[in-house]
Amino acid sequence: QQQVKQSPQSLIVQKGGISIINCAYENTAFDYFPWYQQFPGKGPALLIAIRPDVSEKKEGRFTISFNKSAKQFSLHIMDSQPGDSATYFCAASMGIFNKFYFGSGTKLNVKP
Amino acid sequence: KAGVTQTPRYLIKTRGQQVTLSCSPISGHRSVSWYQQTPGQGLQFLFEYFSETQRNKGNFPGRFSGRQFSNSRSEMNVSTLELGDSALYLCASSPGRGTGQETQYFGPGTRLLVL
Repeated sequence: QQQVKQSPQSLIVQKGGISIINCAYENTAFDYFPWYQQFPGKGPALLIAIRPDVSEKKEGRFTISFNKSAKQFSLHIMDSQPGDSATYFCAASMGIFNKFYFGSGTKLNVKP
Repeated sequence: KAGVTQTPRYLIKTRGQQVTLSCSPISGHRSVSWYQQTPGQGLQFLFEYFSETQRNKGNFPGRFSGRQFSNSRSEMNVSTLELGDSALYLCASSPGRGTGQETQYFGPGTRLLVL
């Protein structure tokens, strides 16, 4: 059973546009929700993370929106740039251990 | 600080063989996690080690095992390789303070191809 569902699978956005990636989870015990960015040939790198006690977190051009009642969270990339072209993964974890459940990934392509 | 290093970067094995992958975490990090990444299944958690003890385990068969040494370096072993084990194996380290909300720093991975 997939614990975290991510959509869309791929996304094409024009330079300067807004990229939106969505994730949904089932387990209400999850209490930490990070987003990772992965470039080809590299391991994932943490982009931004949120806890369920806040509804939004912004870091530069990246914003996480969190809807606890709907069990959904999303990543918004404002003013998308070609350098943002990568695969993005949402994830979730619970408790004190580092066991993360990842979404299936979204391949973002920002057209110049 | 140096990042997470994984060796080897690429590996080709045949079915039935076994393989050992190595991971050196960031200096000072005590938690090491392993993930399998495939196009079909995405990133799947294998196990986490903290202070030489396996703290968490994912839903993988017993052919997948690991260990952690006193210097926090970790190895994972896959015995009796199957074609479906072809994947990118990622190691991630974190301080291991026990908050469960730590940033995981991933290595570049080991690409394993089973023929």
